[in-house]
Amino acid sequence: EVQLVESGGGLVQPGGSLKLSCAASGFTFSGSPIHWVRQASGRGLEWVGLIRSKPNNYATAYAASVKGRFTISRDDSKNTAYLQVNSLKTEDTALYYCTTRATVPMGLDFWGQGTLVSVSS
Amino acid sequence: DIVMTQSPDSLAVSLGERATINCKSSQSVLYSSNNRNYLGWYQQKPGQPPKLLIYWASTRESGVPDRFSGSGSGTDFTLTISSLQAEDVAVYYCQQYYSTPYSFGQGTKLEIK
Repeated sequence: EVQLVESGGGLVQPGGSLKLSCAASGFTFSGSPIHWVRQASGRGLEWVGLIRSKPNNYATAYAASVKGRFTISRDDSKNTAYLQVNSLKTEDTALYYCTTRATVPMGLDFWGQGTLVSVSS
Repeated sequence: DIVMTQSPDSLAVSLGERATINCKSSQSVLYSSNNRNYLGWYQQKPGQPPKLLIYWASTRESGVPDRFSGSGSGTDFTLTISSLQAEDVAVYYCQQYYSTPYSFGQGTKLEIK
C-alpha cells in the first residue's frame, strides 16, 4: 500500500523557518518525483514545487511565490523528502501536502494527509 | 507561466443529471511529439486530500467510475459527470503538467440542486 506521511508543521513567527518531512512507503520512492502542494484554509490548491528522481538529476522547480525561500530535497536511502521553508510570511499559512506519481504516467495519484503550517506573530 | 481558469466557480446540479466543468489554459498543453495533453482532473472532498480522476485529459484513473469523463485538447478542456450521484459533491480542480510551475485551476464547487 502506497503511503505518504507528512510531518514537521507547526506555529512559527513571520520570518521563521521549518523543515517539513514526507515519509514514503509502498512504492519505488527513488524512481518517483515528489511534489509539494499547499492549501490555505477554505482556498484552492497551490502547487509549491517538486524534486525529480536521481536519473533526472534530482532537478527541482518551484512556484514563483516560494522561489528563493523554499527548498525541496530528498534522501532516497530513507524514502523521505523534505521541504525547507524559510523567511515565512503569513500568506504561507496552509496545509502542506506531499504527493507523487506512483502508478500513472502523469498526474499525482497518491497524496499524504498534509501537515499544517501556521505563520503568525 | 501557464494560468488555468475554470468555469463556473460553483455549480448546482440535480441528482442523475449531467454536470459539466470547464478548464482553460493560457497556452496549449498539448505536446506535439506524443500528441498528449498534459492535463489532469482532481476531486477533493471536505477534509480529504485531492484524488486523481483523469490524466492525459481523458484517461480515467483506475477505479474511477465511468460516469466521469474528460475531453478537450490544446487549451480547452471539460470534465463531465454523466449522471450526478450524491457522493460526487466535491470541489474539482484541473492541473496542467506541461511546464513548471504545474498550476491548478481555482476549483469548481459542485453541489446538489
